[in-house]
Amino acid sequence: KQEVTQIPAALSVPEGENLVLNCSFTDSAIYNLQWFRQDPGKGLTSLLLIQSSQREQTSGRLNASLDKSSGRSTLYIAASQPGDSATYLCAVPFGAGNMLTFGGGTRLMVKP
Amino acid sequence: GAVVSQHPSWVICKSGTSVKIECRSLDFQATTMFWYRQFPKQSLMLMATSNEGSKATYEQGVEKDKFLINHASLTLSTLTVTSAHPEDSSFYICSAHRTGAYEQYFGPGTRLTVT
Repeated sequence: KQEVTQIPAALSVPEGENLVLNCSFTDSAIYNLQWFRQDPGKGLTSLLLIQSSQREQTSGRLNASLDKSSGRSTLYIAASQPGDSATYLCAVPFGAGNMLTFGGGTRLMVKP
Repeated sequence: GAVVSQHPSWVICKSGTSVKIECRSLDFQATTMFWYRQFPKQSLMLMATSNEGSKATYEQGVEKDKFLINHASLTLSTLTVTSAHPEDSSFYICSAHRTGAYEQYFGPGTRLTVT
């Protein structure tokens, strides 16, 4: 059974800091990993998807890396802004049906 | 592209009544849709997989007779919470898997409150 863990559970930083969110998974036989953002009371916004053959993906100030062999992914946010405040979730598919197993999320607060 | 909508966005109902939630993929076809439930300050938990034209597959511990899923077309899946109870109050989120793609696209969620 795939288990996904995110550390830290919560993070509060001053504006402008670079930060790293961690995601680990127990079964390395994944074919992709996805990072999402969720604002309070809202649905999920897909940020980045990394295929198993890739090491990293970048989108603007976001960079996600994937190390399948160690069962880890990191989401790097450069020059954080108050608008980045949200919960960040990582997820990996399991089973033939592409269902997602989510980590517990990291609640990020960026203070002005 | 790849927009998923849910209706309603929030609903309040009385205990014992049934509530239907719709999930639509607006600009793509989705042979598979997923229903998740999220309790406050918790992550998403998969409830069931909805396949167009066939019966849904439910996760362990999810009552299929209580949470009725119908995936009648390639763009619409519905979740009906039957005989709702206060413990069913939660945030229900659907996602759609675009045929041939890897990503899942999520709807904005439906907040259900059962009084």
